[in-house]
Amino acid sequence: EAEVAQSPRYKITEKSQAVAFWCDPISGHATLYWYRQILGQGPELLVQFQDESVVDDSQLPKDRFSAERLKGVDSTLKIQPAELGDSAMYLCASSPGQGGAKNIQYFGAGTRLSVL
Amino acid sequence: GIQVEQSPPDLILQEGANSTLRCNFSDSVNNLQWFHQNPWGQLINLFYIPSGTKQNGRLSATTVATERYSLLYISSSQTTDSGVYFCAVSSNTGKLIFGQGTTLQVKP
Repeated sequence: EAEVAQSPRYKITEKSQAVAFWCDPISGHATLYWYRQILGQGPELLVQFQDESVVDDSQLPKDRFSAERLKGVDSTLKIQPAELGDSAMYLCASSPGQGGAKNIQYFGAGTRLSVL
Repeated sequence: GIQVEQSPPDLILQEGANSTLRCNFSDSVNNLQWFHQNPWGQLINLFYIPSGTKQNGRLSATTVATERYSLLYISSSQTTDSGVYFCAVSSNTGKLIFGQGTTLQVKP
């Protein structure tokens, strides 16, 4: 069964360091999402891509976060510099596209980030 | 934006008991998904159910779109059902808006 792949699974870093997370969506899925989940809360969208274009990055802290999906396939989310408040689970999801069951989002296993 | 409220926030059951989780949302949606988040943090798809009723084994779900709520039923609960259950909805934008979740603990 096809899955969304994410790496690394866990990342521990010190404050002010740079970190990067990688996501490979299910093959053929045009839409890719990055969510952040703080402990005890539901996930919240950081950025949404349609193919290689950003559709929504309104909640992405652009002074320190960046995201790219250069060839419209896999994606990288970067934080530089990391802050203590960035400690969270970072989840990647993909969906085939817009409309009906094509809206169904499938999630990867996530990257758990701890900033010390 | 759309608001999503889930109830109850916490639920403790004995193995074999049945339960109902509720999700209320504040506006019309074209996507509603129920997830189970396992202890390792992965979100497992349970149902895609913007309207109607679906069943999968011991789980079933019903969404009444006109009244803006969805219910997840768990019958004959097992310890492996423990975890956090999320309801998430989206309108035309595609992004999912999640509720705060229901934490279920099933005791043997």
